[in-house]
Amino acid sequence: GAVVSQHPSWVICKSGTSVKIECRSLDFQATTMFWYRQFPKQSLMLMATSNEGSKATYEQGVEKDKFLINHASLTLSTLTVTSAHPEDSSFYICSAAHPLLAEFVSYEQYFGPGTRLTVT
Amino acid sequence: QKEVEQDPGPLSVPEGAIVSLNCTYSNSAFQYFMWYRQYSRKGPELLMYTYSSGNKEDGRFTAQVDKSSKYISLFIRDSQPSDSATYLCASSSYNTDKLIFGTGTRLQVFP
Repeated sequence: GAVVSQHPSWVICKSGTSVKIECRSLDFQATTMFWYRQFPKQSLMLMATSNEGSKATYEQGVEKDKFLINHASLTLSTLTVTSAHPEDSSFYICSAAHPLLAEFVSYEQYFGPGTRLTVT
Repeated sequence: QKEVEQDPGPLSVPEGAIVSLNCTYSNSAFQYFMWYRQYSRKGPELLMYTYSSGNKEDGRFTAQVDKSSKYISLFIRDSQPSDSATYLCASSSYNTDKLIFGTGTRLQVFP
């Protein structure tokens, strides 16, 4: 099956610093990757859609200057949380669209294991 | 009103029980319906997906969609302790990239 990795799995940073999270599709090429945020006991909220070689599309209410997304290759997308604050502490999950396994949609989303960010 | 509603639980059942997990949705344009399983501190794993109304069975799991009532169900037969996880339903409409998730139902199967 399609495998997606994330690094790091867990990070603690001080308020005001920036943190970069990597999302990699290990055994397939993903032209589209998605970044989600999940608070405890809450649903996954889509933050942005990342397309290789173009600018990310952000959901309403997501600050694009704070959450920088780069999709430099077909297997790597990065999310940088800039000037992090304690309220940015959350579980960040990426997914990669696999175009070949779906029956009736153009792709399926395979999720990474998530990155837990704690800002002190 | 959230587009996809799901009872957060927790739902606790004995091993071997039949489990029924449910979601409702409000967007009539939704055509695709998925169920994901998420273990603690892990990313979601796709379990099953269905298109429009109807049933789909895969081993101990059955997904059911009733578009007339906007109701989505996942049934787990002969539940096992290893099924203990959070189950998320998700929906999307035709030709869209976005999945809309429910809040997830936490299931615990005790031996």
